This record gives sequence, C-alpha cells and structure tokens, in this order.
Amino acid sequence: AQTVTQSQPEMSVQEAETVTLSCTYDTSESDYYLFWYKQPPSRQMILVIRQEAYKQQNATENRFSVNFQKAAKSFSLKISDSQLGDAAMYFCAYRSARNTDKLIFGTGTRLQVFP
Amino acid sequence: ETGVTQTPRHLVMGMTNKKSLKCEQHLGHNAMYWYKQSAKKPLELMFVYNFKEQTENNSVPSRFSPECPNSSHLFLHLHTLQPEDSALYLCASSQASGSTGYGYTFGSGTRLTVV
Repeated sequence: AQTVTQSQPEMSVQEAETVTLSCTYDTSESDYYLFWYKQPPSRQMILVIRQEAYKQQNATENRFSVNFQKAAKSFSLKISDSQLGDAAMYFCAYRSARNTDKLIFGTGTRLQVFP
Repeated sequence: ETGVTQTPRHLVMGMTNKKSLKCEQHLGHNAMYWYKQSAKKPLELMFVYNFKEQTENNSVPSRFSPECPNSSHLFLHLHTLQPEDSALYLCASSQASGSTGYGYTFGSGTRLTVV
C-alpha cells in the first residue's frame, strides 16, 4: 500500500524568505501523481501544485515550486518570497494513475509566517 | 465560492442523536468522496462514489451511512456516534477515471463534536 510521510509537523519562515517543506512517499508503482494542498483556517483544502511522475521537469506555480526526486521518492515544496497569507497547514498527497479513487495524504506540516 | 458546499459548518450532537451532513457540487464532476480529518492523523478516506455508485467503503463503521442520490449531491447520515467520531468531515469531488491527473476540489468541511 502507498504511504505518504511528512516529517515536519511545524515550520516557520519570515516574510519574504524561502521555506521548503518535505514529503516522502512509498509506492511500487511507476505512474502516479503527486500534489501539495494548502488548508488555511477557513478549512478548505486548496490545490497548490501537482506533478506527474512521468515528467522529469519540476512543476512551478508562481512562488511555489517542487523538487521531485523519483528515485528517492521525495517531493518537497519550496515557497519563495513567503507571504503572511501562506500561513496554513500543507498536505502532500499521492494518487495512483491506476486506482483513481484514492488520494492518499500525509499528516501535514503547519507553516507559520512571521512579519 | 468554493464549488463544493458543505452544510452545516458546525454540528454538535449527542450519542443517541441522528443527523445528516450534506455536500453539493456544481462542477460537473462525477466522483464524490467523504474524508475524516482528525488532529495529527492523515486524512482518512471513508467513502467513494463514482457516477452515484459506491466504489469504496474503507471499513467505516455502520453508524456512518452515506447516500448519493445523484452526481451533484452526497450525504453522510450519522447515528449513535461515539466521542472518538468527533472530527472535521470533508467532502470532495473530482472527475472519475480517465482524468486521474487532477486532484480533488474540497468543501470547507463540517466540524462535528459528539458529546
């Protein structure tokens, strides 16, 4: 069974600085998708960025980028020029390309942003 | 507006009560999900519906009873719950098989407290 591990329960960063959130996963599949979700105090999970496993190029969305290391099964999220509004819980998630029903989440990392 | 609407936002119920959670999406998605989010634990997938048919029941106790009358609406009927069932219940929707690269769209959840 696939698992997702986020080893940092909490992280903090100063406004305008860069922070990296870690995520590792375990799977025997070669084709899958990885996601980072943000959950602010409003509780709604918002998709931040996604990565297809068959693409070597790291995904980028404005200030958010990932470092996808397929062999190491690592999928970290880098937030550049951090803003106060980035403060939230961040969840890493895995979705098989074959079993489309399950989105498997890690335990999350709480990110604090200080002015 | 989220695209996935959950009501109520908060719910307090006694262990002998019967209540229902409601989820509605107008995104044209054909798969809907219930997740349970407890503190310091990964999100737990409870139920999956594809085209109104239940395709996954992740060993959920029978005191939770889902209902999906059409692709836009999903209910979770609750009865004789336990205090450990207190959690945030999240509903999500997505395109079903054939579009596995997409993540889910989530609602803002129902915060359930069982007393």
